[in-house]
Amino acid sequence: AQTVTQSQPEMSVQEAETVTLSCTYDTSESDYYLFWYKQPPSRQMILVIRQEAYKQQNATENRFSVNFQKAAKSFSLKISDSQLGDAAMYFCAYRGPYGNKLVFGAGTILRVKS
Amino acid sequence: DGGITQSPKYLFRKEGQNVTLSCEQNLNHDAMYWYRQDPGQGLRLIYYSQIVNDFQKGDIAEGYSVSREKKESFPLTVTSAQKNPTAFYLCASSIPRTVNTGELFFGEGSRLTVL
Repeated sequence: AQTVTQSQPEMSVQEAETVTLSCTYDTSESDYYLFWYKQPPSRQMILVIRQEAYKQQNATENRFSVNFQKAAKSFSLKISDSQLGDAAMYFCAYRGPYGNKLVFGAGTILRVKS
Repeated sequence: DGGITQSPKYLFRKEGQNVTLSCEQNLNHDAMYWYRQDPGQGLRLIYYSQIVNDFQKGDIAEGYSVSREKKESFPLTVTSAQKNPTAFYLCASSIPRTVNTGELFFGEGSRLTVL
């Protein structure tokens, strides 16, 4: 079974600084999708960024970018120019080539200091 | 506005009682899911449904039941057989992967507490 590991239970960053959240996954598939979701205190899950495994180029969405290392099965999220509104729980998720199910990591709490 | 509505947001239950959590979507999505969230464990899949009148067990289905009689609705019943039902429950939906990456859209969740 596929597993997703987020080894950082909590991270802190100073406002306007850059932070990187780590994620590794285990799969024998070559075609899959990876996601980062944000869960703010309101508990509403919001998609931050997605990456298709067949694409070598790392995905970018404004201040959010990923470092996708397929051979290492690593999918880290970089948040640049951190803002107070970035404070949330961040979940890494994997979706395989068959079906629609997502497998989630345990999450990383991000705290942003002003 | 299109979205997913979960109700109630907070629910208290006595031990031995069944309780049903509602999930309604107006996104016209085919697939719907129920996840359970516990501290330190991320989200775990309880049940999912790809089409109306069909559903499959997820990783932690024991003690739960679902139905999918309408495309818009996917209620979850937490039965008395569920040993540790206190948790935060999230409902989600998606369109088929053949159309896009199949990302999930989530409701705001329901917090169930067993007294």
